[in-house]
Amino acid sequence: DADVTQTPRNRITKTGKRIMLECSQTKGHDRMYWYRQDPGLGLRLIYYSFDVKDINKGEISDGYSVSRQAQAKFSLSLESAIPNQTALYFCATRGRGTGELFFGEGSRLTVL
Amino acid sequence: QKEVEQDPGPLSVPEGAIVSLNCTYSNSAFQYFMWYRQYSRKGPELLMYTYSSGNKEDGRFTAQVDKSSKYISLFIRDSQPSDSATYLCAMSAASGGYQKVTFGTGTKLQVIP
Repeated sequence: DADVTQTPRNRITKTGKRIMLECSQTKGHDRMYWYRQDPGLGLRLIYYSFDVKDINKGEISDGYSVSRQAQAKFSLSLESAIPNQTALYFCATRGRGTGELFFGEGSRLTVL
Repeated sequence: QKEVEQDPGPLSVPEGAIVSLNCTYSNSAFQYFMWYRQYSRKGPELLMYTYSSGNKEDGRFTAQVDKSSKYISLFIRDSQPSDSATYLCAMSAASGGYQKVTFGTGTKLQVIP
């Protein structure tokens, strides 16, 4: 099983719908991140969390919200999806004192 | 101007060639430099991790950092078809308890058998 698991892997939805992307990890890391990846723009940070009670906005948090339900679970919500939120979304974890990010396999979201 | 610039490619080379992938950056505070490899439909995985200037070698891979020129490179020797992937450079500066990681846009590499 993957250390960082994202669900769903693919989702097609319509403008205005609420969408939740879920992430769970078995690495025991306290730091979790949500990124989106767009062609030509690379990986951009949406939100990050150092522990259950610590949530922080990243570069592009507008239109997104997150919930850290437990140390191992971090979900990303789009309250009212819009077409320019069509992208590949990655969850990542990082242990304390290291720079290495461990990524999930991604959730491809298409908003029509 | 982006903080990190990376040629998107695609770069196509024959099997066995030496591959050179590069990034330039503008933020002189960056101290930690990374290369991630991303296969199609997969998440990025860390390939090389270096601190400050110098070289680091791991098997067929060599990472090089020149902080004076704000330039980093990844060399792949004896390239294999299995090296076909997108390579992302990434860098960060120590910043309290959180090291913001800035990624390049990635270079797509294809190694032709």
